[in-house]
Amino acid sequence: GQSLEQPSEVTAVEGAIVQMNCTYQTSGFYGLSWYQQHDGGAPTFLSYNALDGLEETGRFSSFLSRSDSYGYLLLQELQMKDSASYFCAVRDQRGGADGLTFGKGTHLIIQP
Amino acid sequence: NAGVTQTPKFQVLKTGQSMTLQCAQDMNHEYMSWYRQDPGMGLRLIHYSVGAGITDQGEVPNGYNVSRSTTEDFPLRLLSAAPSQTSVYFCASRRTELYEQYFGPGTRLTVT
Repeated sequence: GQSLEQPSEVTAVEGAIVQMNCTYQTSGFYGLSWYQQHDGGAPTFLSYNALDGLEETGRFSSFLSRSDSYGYLLLQELQMKDSASYFCAVRDQRGGADGLTFGKGTHLIIQP
Repeated sequence: NAGVTQTPKFQVLKTGQSMTLQCAQDMNHEYMSWYRQDPGMGLRLIHYSVGAGITDQGEVPNGYNVSRSTTEDFPLRLLSAAPSQTSVYFCASRRTELYEQYFGPGTRLTVT
């Protein structure tokens, strides 16, 4: 089966950089996605890595190492609005149609 | 485009009642899915569909039924509600060949 591990909570200071890790076990792996979810809101897509390396989108970067079954999300120049939960999700083969399996999420707390 | 819409936003049911959670998308996405999210948990896949007339079970399908008669609509039916089904339910859709998944605003269901 599939499983993903994420730290439950991370605290960081406004303006700083934070890294949130994700390790996974799955079969038929296609790629690793990251989603942001504010309290009471819906998850929104941040990034996707299918190949090893770093993908950058503005203040957000995501990294993947397929050989280590590991990825991370990096947020730079933290702002108070970045306080949210961040979920990694594995795209894998399930019954002939690929789906997403989510981790339990990391709650990011930003302190002024 | 409205994106992914869900109704109702909130619902309270008594044990044993049945109801249907509605989901619609106007992006012509082939792939649609239903997730539930419980406190401190990630999103768990209930059912998914790769196109009209095709549905399959996810990780936690028991107690739920789905059908997909059109590309746009993917309703989720609770046959006989139980307190264990108290949760937030998210519907999502995407193009089959792409990785970015779009979520609806969610339905907050309480079963007493």
